[in-house]
Amino acid sequence: KAGVTQTPRYLIKTRGQQVTLSCSPISGHRSVSWYQQTPGQGLQFLFEYFSETQRNKGNFPGRFSGRQFSNSRSEMNVSTLELGDSALYLCASSFTGSNTGELFFGEGSRLTVL
Amino acid sequence: GENVEQHPSTLSVQEGDSAVIKCTYSDSASNYFPWYKQELGKGPQLIIDIRSNVGEKKDQRIAVTLNKTAKHFSLHITETQPEDSAVYFCAASSQAGTALIFGKGTTLSVSS
Repeated sequence: KAGVTQTPRYLIKTRGQQVTLSCSPISGHRSVSWYQQTPGQGLQFLFEYFSETQRNKGNFPGRFSGRQFSNSRSEMNVSTLELGDSALYLCASSFTGSNTGELFFGEGSRLTVL
Repeated sequence: GENVEQHPSTLSVQEGDSAVIKCTYSDSASNYFPWYKQELGKGPQLIIDIRSNVGEKKDQRIAVTLNKTAKHFSLHITETQPEDSAVYFCAASSQAGTALIFGKGTTLSVSS
């Protein structure tokens, strides 16, 4: 069974640009969550989608957005990139979408903003 | 909102020793406490979890304890091995959906 797939794995952008990251969850999983990982702040929850609807959102500015498609694949977008957006962006899928279920993480997309 | 504190930030042990990582949480409504292990270049992977109606859970060399009154939970790894070297994260979840609040992580180094 394939795991969570994130693309691209690495990317470099400059300030002011925008970026779109993609996540394919494990087959059958309907919940997709996104996390930002940085050395200073650790793992921080961005948002969660379940059946194409955003169910939860973390404390991030509106420049961070996402969506989920009918096949459960998800994308997140960051507009007007800032240096502080440099981070590893992790996607996680869940079968149940409950708050007591295992999250399966991808290997992440490492974004560098210059 | 929920806040999770994790200590220590780094931990070095000799192979065969035990390792203990401790976390505290702030939201008394939290009901699920997972532990994730992240190896270099990989995403976090669940190693053990505990729910608020259970005080302790074991899985081979790994155990987790929960003290709801004190809002503490701990990860215990016995007979550590070099392959246990990784970053360990505790987390708490109290909202609907899958939002997890993570601790800042503990880098465990096991030397042989």
